[in-house]
Amino acid sequence: QQQVKQSPQSLIVQKGGIPIINCAYENTAFDYFPWYQQFPGKGPALLIAIRPDVSEKKEGRFTISFNKSAKQFSLHIMDSQPGDSATYFCAAHYTGFQKLVFGTGTRLLVSP
Amino acid sequence: EPEVTQTPSHQVTQMGQEVILRCVPISNHLYFYWYRQILGQKVEFLVSFYNNEISEKSEIFDDQFSVERPDGSNFTLKIRSTKLEDSAMYFCASSSLRATASYGYTFGSGTRLTVV
Repeated sequence: QQQVKQSPQSLIVQKGGIPIINCAYENTAFDYFPWYQQFPGKGPALLIAIRPDVSEKKEGRFTISFNKSAKQFSLHIMDSQPGDSATYFCAAHYTGFQKLVFGTGTRLLVSP
Repeated sequence: EPEVTQTPSHQVTQMGQEVILRCVPISNHLYFYWYRQILGQKVEFLVSFYNNEISEKSEIFDDQFSVERPDGSNFTLKIRSTKLEDSAMYFCASSSLRATASYGYTFGSGTRLTVV
């Protein structure tokens, strides 16, 4: 199965809140899990990525939590700001195939 | 920071016409890709290209599509006879290695193709 399921579809939080976006996958051959941030009219920009041998990764205000046994991973945005308002995509990649499989995206709105 | 550059940013074409979307990948990258995103939907893989040949393609990438690296710097996507359903944002991407760990892909800003 090459799908990556993402939820929620949209999310509204207040400034300073911690939005959490969840993704799940089936294919255990996936070995690289990036998150992309996309602003309107722009291409996806790599935010943070993790490999399945690590359970958590932090970069600035962004944290990925990874649960290999449940085949789930999530993005947490600490102290969210209005400038974080964007669409977030999780993705998965496996080394045998040169492509990313994207989730369906989460539209995040951080209100001032 | 190095960028992937795509031109044009917006193209309108009549159904049945041929279009060529252009991309200049990051200069030391070896792998090149096209993805597309229909308005409001997820980003979908079309094709990957390495060492002057297609390394993988999706079901979407049928005989109407072709890719080329004509001069060592540009990477193009050609749609031979456009259909209404080809209307989408097309993203070019490149990566330096088989993308693992944090190497990642770098995406361009996209070409919005509108078929009328």
